[in-house]
Amino acid sequence: GQNIDQPTEMTATEGAIVQINCTYQTSGFNGLFWYQQHAGEAPTFLSYNVLDGLEEKGRFSSFLSRSKGYSYLLLKELQMKDSASYLCAVMNSNYQLIWGAGTKLIIKP
Amino acid sequence: GAVVSQHPSWVICKSGTSVKIECRSLDFQATTMFWYRQFPKQSLMLMATSNEGSKATYEQGVEKDKFLINHASLTLSTLTVTSAHPEDSSFYICSASSSDPKETQYFGPGTRLLVL
Repeated sequence: GQNIDQPTEMTATEGAIVQINCTYQTSGFNGLFWYQQHAGEAPTFLSYNVLDGLEEKGRFSSFLSRSKGYSYLLLKELQMKDSASYLCAVMNSNYQLIWGAGTKLIIKP
Repeated sequence: GAVVSQHPSWVICKSGTSVKIECRSLDFQATTMFWYRQFPKQSLMLMATSNEGSKATYEQGVEKDKFLINHASLTLSTLTVTSAHPEDSSFYICSASSSDPKETQYFGPGTRLLVL
């Protein structure tokens, strides 16, 4: 079967750094996406990785290792507005997005 | 760029009625649109994938006759929940991508449906 695993919930302190991990097993691979979803809102696109390595975009970075079936989202200089759920999704060989259940990130002052 | 709108954002209806939700790509042509459903504290569940001008492809367990999807143009797809029941109450979200299937999906703001 296909599955995406990510922690259910994480807590971090304002101004700190947090890393959200995602491991996956899918039928084929055409890229990995990270989305941010605030409570009651639709997801917004954060990043896309299809090659191994680190992609940096401002305070957010995303890393991919295809051989390990592993990715992480790194958030630096955490702000209270970063409190949200972070969804990991993998596009398989049929171009279907397989979604993780999301990681709820709680930021404390 | 890549803005997707949904209408309505909120709908409350009586059991047995039908509800239509519109999804529009405002600044790009969406060859493919996706309809998701999300229950509280759960992940997105893909309901169906629709390509402009062709019939939608439904995920296993999703009733085609209950959730009617129409993708008549490159900028508009509609989802009609027919004979809605309280268990259909959920957050319905559409997303759209351009011609390349590898393109990022951009999400609409979602429609919260409450069936009484």
